[in-house]
Amino acid sequence: QKEVEQNSGPLSVPEGAIASLNCTYSDRGSQSFFWYRQYSGKSPELIMFIYSNGDKEDGRFTAQLNKASQYVSLLIRDSQPSDSATYLCAVILGEYGNKLVFGAGTILRVKS
Amino acid sequence: NAGVTQTPKFQVLKTGQSMTLQCAQDMNHNSMYWYRQDPGMGLRLIYYSASEGTTDKGEVPNGYNVSRLNKREFSLRLESAAPSQTSVYFCASTYQIAGGYNEQFFGPGTRLTVL
Repeated sequence: QKEVEQNSGPLSVPEGAIASLNCTYSDRGSQSFFWYRQYSGKSPELIMFIYSNGDKEDGRFTAQLNKASQYVSLLIRDSQPSDSATYLCAVILGEYGNKLVFGAGTILRVKS
Repeated sequence: NAGVTQTPKFQVLKTGQSMTLQCAQDMNHNSMYWYRQDPGMGLRLIYYSASEGTTDKGEVPNGYNVSRLNKREFSLRLESAAPSQTSVYFCASTYQIAGGYNEQFFGPGTRLTVL
């Protein structure tokens, strides 16, 4: 089992819809979770981080964390064509880890 | 602030050649990282330096060496390049706080092709 798993996609949604991106992780003791966005040919940029169970909202983005299920998700409301990118889930594995482990990423395509 | 800078942006090597990828950050970060990104594989950690004077292996260290020259600079060396090292290489840095928020900032990447 990979330490951080994501569906590679592509996930296609129409403009204005909600895009739901999912990620599971292997280490139950993990505490810190990140979502990075990467446009084609560019470097990753952080869009959300979450530490606590539940939801965290920032504009059109909502991160959801369920530590019991070892599951973290990212919702993008009112999806725009400019949201088309690869979304990388990253986890600091373990309670005292200091290394980010990335999933393979999910390709999101928003069609106008 | 330039953030994280990497040189070169592109490089083509022949098998067996050596080269050094340079990375520098001006954000006073203590930790620096080298990743490689291959299609469908996400980012994989090659080496990292938690603080000046220390380096540790990541997930895929074979064929690479690193040097943390000072707090700002962290270089990655390929001693004898192989086609399997064709990849995009990213340097990243962060201000490491144990158990705390550790956003990593990434450089623009180096696209390396080994023939």
